[in-house]
Formats: sequence, C-alpha cells, structure tokens
Amino acid sequence: QLQLQESGPGLVKPSETLSLTCTVSGGSISSSSYYWGWIRQPPGKGLEWIGSIYYSGSTYYNPSLKSRVTISVDTSKNQFSLKLSSVTAADTAVYYCARLQITMIVPDAFDIWGQGTMVTVSS
Amino acid sequence: QSALTQPASVSGSPGQSITISCTGTSSDVGSYNLVSWYQQHPGKAPKLMIYEVSKRPSGVSNRFSGSKSGNTASLTISGLQAEDEADYYCCSYAGSSTLVVFGGGTKLTVL
Repeated sequence: QLQLQESGPGLVKPSETLSLTCTVSGGSISSSSYYWGWIRQPPGKGLEWIGSIYYSGSTYYNPSLKSRVTISVDTSKNQFSLKLSSVTAADTAVYYCARLQITMIVPDAFDIWGQGTMVTVSS
Repeated sequence: QSALTQPASVSGSPGQSITISCTGTSSDVGSYNLVSWYQQHPGKAPKLMIYEVSKRPSGVSNRFSGSKSGNTASLTISGLQAEDEADYYCCSYAGSSTLVVFGGGTKLTVL
C-alpha cells in the first residue's frame, strides 16, 4: 500500500527558507498516472494548495506563492521536495504531501495523503 | 486564485440528510467535471470522499454522494451518523496555469 511521509525541520526562522521532503513508499513516484503535490493548512484554517510536480519535473504552483516556491523531484530516492523562501509567521502551518491522480491528462483528486508535519515560523 | 465558496457550518441530526454547497466560477467548477470532496477529522489528514463530481473511492460509504449544477457542486450525506462530524473541503481543477483550488471548508456538526 502506497504511503507518503513528510520530513523536515519543525521550526524555521523568519526570512529563511522552509525545506520539506516527502518520501513515497510502497510504489513508484515515476508513474505516469499521478502528479505529486504539497498542501498546507494554517492553524484553525482551511487547506491551501501550494504546488504540484510530475515525475518528469514539470511543475505547477499556486499563483499567490509562485515567487517563493520551488518543488523538485528525485526519482532515484522516490522523493519530492518543497522549498518556500522568505518565510513569515503567515507560513506557519501543517504541511501535507499528497498524490494527485490524473484523469484524461489533467489533475483529478488527491487520493493519498501524508500525515502532515507542523512547521512553525518563529525567531 | 480565489478559493471556492462553502458555508462555514452545517448541522443535522442523526439519520437526517445534509447538503454542503461549493460555489466556484466558469473557470473551475463550471468548466470541468473534476470536483473532489475531502473529509477531515481534527488532527488528521484529509480523506478523499468523492472525485470527478460524483464518484466514490473504494471503501467510502454510499451515504456520501456528489453532484454539480453550473458553477456549484454539492456533497450530500444521507443517514447522518456521529462519525460524520468533521470538516469538509471541496476542490476543483482550475485550468493548466492555476491547476487546483480548494474551498474554504465547512464544519459539519451532528446534533
């Protein structure tokens, strides 16, 4: 059964770069049937899509975060990663990685999620 | 990129049916049959309940159903049970540049 696990620092200083990795186990990240994505949820608030990547390296970002976000994939390690630069307290959130299934070449739904990791931005 | 619009809260008694709406635009919900719904219990990751407007993943109760009319999608839960109390989020494909957009979420209370 495919599983996703987020990892990375739980505390990041303001103005620095948040870096997280999602490790995929029980299946290959190189499947042509899926994108892979990052979603975040500030405390007490709703879900916000950050961005997604295809195994080939094609990326798609939330326009509101695009200038600060980089998502990359390492197929040899079955991992994909998130970097969010110039963070502020507003970036404090639970960060989830998830698999995004594809239907007729377009993204369909996030069918498998990681457990999430809390990242706090504070000095 | 604007979030899809959901009511902040809905409630119902056990055994009743409730419907949660999700209103988007002609650029997202109205243009694609790619609306999905997620259930999230406190402290847990979201769980996919409905995809492609009305399809249920394996293992999801048939008490959950989805539909769409114009720019508004809906999630209906019939035979409400205590364990259905959770937050529910809709999500839609929004084109090749924006890709996906979420709704603001709806808190379901089972009275």
